[in-house]
Amino acid sequence: GQQVMQIPQYQHVQEGEDFTTYCNSSTTLSNIQWYKQRPGGHPVFLIQLVKSGEVKKQKRLTFQFGEAKKNSSLHITATQTTDVGTYFCAGRESGTYKYIFGTGTRLKVLA
Amino acid sequence: KAGVTQTPRYLIKTRGQQVTLSCSPISGHRSVSWYQQTPGQGLQFLFEYFSETQRNKGNFPGRFSGRQFSNSRSEMNVSTLELGDSALYLCASSSHRDQETQYFGPGTRLLVL
Repeated sequence: GQQVMQIPQYQHVQEGEDFTTYCNSSTTLSNIQWYKQRPGGHPVFLIQLVKSGEVKKQKRLTFQFGEAKKNSSLHITATQTTDVGTYFCAGRESGTYKYIFGTGTRLKVLA
Repeated sequence: KAGVTQTPRYLIKTRGQQVTLSCSPISGHRSVSWYQQTPGQGLQFLFEYFSETQRNKGNFPGRFSGRQFSNSRSEMNVSTLELGDSALYLCASSSHRDQETQYFGPGTRLLVL
């Protein structure tokens, strides 16, 4: 079946540094969603990307969907302690239509 | 609008018992999905329901089952609990028009002893 891998698995950064997580799917995605899960919380929807090569920004967060629609990235500029959590990408598996989550990247921000 | 609610929030069971978890979606949402989250396996898809019909099922044994009612509320049942079933069970709802965006409830944390 389809796999959606994210790298890195963990990332520790100093407050103010930038952070990027990469999401790679083994098959083409029709669209992709990003979620954030705070420690002890549940995933919260951040954004959806639909078009090939699409770039969207939310304040310090920049999301990109690859040209082949098989990969995506989330970049955070000047991290803050409030950015701590696990970031997941997700999308529909082609064929079975199951909604698959990426493996997640856990971000820790050191003050 | 009220968010997705799940009951109970915490549960302790012993091996061999069965458990039923409940999920009430956001008002107007007709699609409900269930996920199992564990530290080792991440977020694993269990099943998805839309208008009382199971649309999709993940790779879990038959001990895991679910259903959806006419008011879109959903339940999932796990029979013959095993230690490995200890996890956070998350329910998510989505609207008919934008079925990709999932709105998650707080989850039910199940501990099997």
